[in-house]
Amino acid sequence: AQTVTQSQPEMSVQEAETVTLSCTYDTSENNYYLFWYKQPPSRQMILVIRQEAYKQQNATENRFSVNFQKAAKSFSLKISDSQLGDTAMYFCAFMLISNFGNEKLTFGTGTRLTIIP
Amino acid sequence: DADVTQTPRNRITKTGKRIMLECSQTKGHDRMYWYRQDPGLGLRLIYYSFDVKDINKGEISDGYSVSRQAQAKFSLSLESAIPNQTALYFCATSDLRVYNEQFFGPGTRLTVL
Repeated sequence: AQTVTQSQPEMSVQEAETVTLSCTYDTSENNYYLFWYKQPPSRQMILVIRQEAYKQQNATENRFSVNFQKAAKSFSLKISDSQLGDTAMYFCAFMLISNFGNEKLTFGTGTRLTIIP
Repeated sequence: DADVTQTPRNRITKTGKRIMLECSQTKGHDRMYWYRQDPGLGLRLIYYSFDVKDINKGEISDGYSVSRQAQAKFSLSLESAIPNQTALYFCATSDLRVYNEQFFGPGTRLTVL
């Protein structure tokens, strides 16, 4: 079974600064996706960014980028020029790609990020 | 209108009561999921369905049942609610052809007294 670990329960950073959220995962498989989801106080789950394991290039979405280290099984999220609207719970998630079409998400325990004005 | 809706949004019930949480989607997706979120535990999969005739248990299915009434509807039932089922429940959907993104509903906050 796959596991996802987020070792930082809470973080805070000043507005406009850069912050990095950590995520590690455990799998013996080679074909999978990794995701970061954001959950603001509204509690809606919002996909921030995804990474395909077979792609060496790190995914980027505007101010959000990842550092994907496949050998180390590490998948950190960097938020640049942080904004007050980035205040949220962030979840790292793993999806194994299988030949049986039964892909499921496994989530980490989350990191609560607070952006300080 | 939201693509994935959940009813009710909030519910308080008593121990032993039967309760149903409903999920509807207008995205035309085949796959639907029910997750439970607890503080410090993240989201955990309860049940999932890849089409109307397909129901599968997830990581924490004990005490829950589901019904896929149509492609667009997937209900979660607590047969006899207990306090440790107090949690935030999410429904999600995904497209068979684009399985690598799940779309979440707004969540249902359930409190069992």
